[in-house]
Amino acid sequence: QKEVEQDPGPLSVPEGAIVSLNCTYSNSAFQYFMWYRQYSRKGPELLMYTYSSGNKEDGRFTAQVDKSSKYISLFIRDSQPSDSATYLCAMSAVDSNYQLIWGAGTKLIIKP
Amino acid sequence: DAGVIQSPRHEVTEMGQEVTLRCKPISGHNSLFWYRQTMMRGLELLIYFNNNVPIDDSGMPEDRFSAKMPNASFSTLKIQPSEPRDSAVYFCASSPSILNNEQFFGPGTRLTVL
Repeated sequence: QKEVEQDPGPLSVPEGAIVSLNCTYSNSAFQYFMWYRQYSRKGPELLMYTYSSGNKEDGRFTAQVDKSSKYISLFIRDSQPSDSATYLCAMSAVDSNYQLIWGAGTKLIIKP
Repeated sequence: DAGVIQSPRHEVTEMGQEVTLRCKPISGHNSLFWYRQTMMRGLELLIYFNNNVPIDDSGMPEDRFSAKMPNASFSTLKIQPSEPRDSAVYFCASSPSILNNEQFFGPGTRLTVL
């Protein structure tokens, strides 16, 4: 079993829909949770960063962490075609020298 | 700021040849990471440096792979000899410090080994 599980998709939704992307993990020591966005033929870029449990909102994006369930989510409201990309979750813990452990990435397609 | 710079952007080579990938991190960043990305295995950490010193190379797949960071502004990843299964996109990323979870990625080098 991988430390971080993420459905690779693709996930296809119509423009304007609410998108929910998820990752599960097995290491309870993870404290830092990130979502990176990767456009085709580009490197990943940090989208959202959360420490420990709770929610964080930034514009149309909301990141949620549920440490009791070992489950994190990224919600995208009013999705746009420009949101079409691969979304990778990443996590780290102090006892792993803060190395990022990556999910496989979910390919998201927003249809106009 | 120019961001992380990688060269070449594309490399096509024949099996058995030596391949050298280059990276210039963001100025002032103390940590540098080399990743490999494939459809099958996703994003894999190969090696990372802190203050030019290799910290963890456990992700380097074989002795055919080596990486160096002779100074704070340059790093290389070398594959010798290359094999078709090395075909992938290789990313270099840098971070202000090892404690900072935000990594800034370069555009990647797309390597094809025939």
